Amino acid sequence: AQKVTQAQTEISVVEKEDVTLDCVYETRDTTYYLFWYKQPPSGELVFLIRRNSFDEQNEISGRYSWNFQKSTSSFNFTITASQVVDSAVYFCALSEARGNKLTFGTGTQLKVEL
Amino acid sequence: SQTIHQWPATLVQPVGSPLSLECTVEGTSNPNLYWYRQAAGRGLQLLFYSVGIGQISSEVPQNLSASRPQDRQFILSSKKLLLSDSGFYLCAWSVRRQDTQYFGPGTRLTVL
Repeated sequence: AQKVTQAQTEISVVEKEDVTLDCVYETRDTTYYLFWYKQPPSGELVFLIRRNSFDEQNEISGRYSWNFQKSTSSFNFTITASQVVDSAVYFCALSEARGNKLTFGTGTQLKVEL
Repeated sequence: SQTIHQWPATLVQPVGSPLSLECTVEGTSNPNLYWYRQAAGRGLQLLFYSVGIGQISSEVPQNLSASRPQDRQFILSSKKLLLSDSGFYLCAWSVRRQDTQYFGPGTRLTVL
């Protein structure tokens, strides 16, 4: 069975600090997809990134970057120079090629303070 | 572009009352549709998914049911609500099974 672990329940940083959110996954499939979503206080889940298991290239999008390492089954998310607007709950999720569902981690609450 | 709507946004219902939550998607045809519930503690649980009209798969047996009467409409129902049905209900869609799922704004349900 697939599983996603986000060990950090809550992280607090001061604005402009860099912060990394950890995600570790388990799956028996060789083909799978990894995702990050952001859930601001309004509640809607906002899609951030999708990665397939054959693409281990790291990705950068503005202040966001993702580090995918199959050897450690991790898909970590770094926010550079954090801002108050980054405050939200961030979810990592996994989908197997043969399945129909996303398996979510329990989320990491990020608080960015002035 | 595609958009997904959910209503109502907020709902307070007494125990034992019926429930109907609606989700509609615009700008795409034959989407895969999903219902998730997010209880306190933040975990998201898949409740139902549908790959076409009238086709519903249930992930977790419970007090809820789902229907898809039209291509882009997905309804979550209950005949008698329980206290444990309280939570944040999210609808999502994707083009194909393995594609990215895009979520609606959610419905916050409180059962008293």
